[in-house]
Amino acid sequence: AQRVTQPEKLLSVFKGAPVELKCNYSYSGSPELFWYVQYSRQRLQLLLRHISRESIKGFTADLNKGETSFHLKKPFAQEEDSAMYYCALGTGTASKLTFGTGTRLQVTL
Amino acid sequence: NAGVTQTPKFQVLKTGQSMTLQCAQDMNHNSMYWYRQDPGMGLRLIYYSASEGTTDKGEVPNGYNVSRLNKREFSLRLESAAPSQTSVYFCASSETGSGETQYFGPGTRLLVL
Repeated sequence: AQRVTQPEKLLSVFKGAPVELKCNYSYSGSPELFWYVQYSRQRLQLLLRHISRESIKGFTADLNKGETSFHLKKPFAQEEDSAMYYCALGTGTASKLTFGTGTRLQVTL
Repeated sequence: NAGVTQTPKFQVLKTGQSMTLQCAQDMNHNSMYWYRQDPGMGLRLIYYSASEGTTDKGEVPNGYNVSRLNKREFSLRLESAAPSQTSVYFCASSETGSGETQYFGPGTRLLVL
């Protein structure tokens, strides 16, 4: 069965510091990985997906199949990055997603 | 263009009562989903509908039923609510197929006493 692990419940960093939110997955097939974000009082929304290989709001994530990881990184954290971040694994043709438990990122001055 | 809408926003039920959570999307998406979110457990898939006329179980389907009323609407029914069903429920939709972005509704907060 597929599984997504986000080991940190809370990550607190100073503004301007680098950020790395960890995500590891377990899946025997070809994985599709996503990062979703939920800002305060907003609905859950897609941040980025590995298939696009793009940078959104300064965030990037590289799929490492050898380490089964999809860590989210940003070189310089901003206050507005404070939010709940979920890593998700897509499987099957119906886009079923398995979510990790989430990491709350807190950026302080 | 409202995206994904859910009603109600908040509901309190007594154990044994029934209720239906409504979800609608105006993006002409084929696939729709119901998740529940519990503290420390992330989002877990309850049921999904890959296309109009089809539904299938997700990770935690027990105690729930769904209806894909038409392409726009996907409802979730609790026949006999239990305290363990206290949760925040999210509906989502996607265009179709694997690798597609899912668009989420604002959520329904359900408390079962």
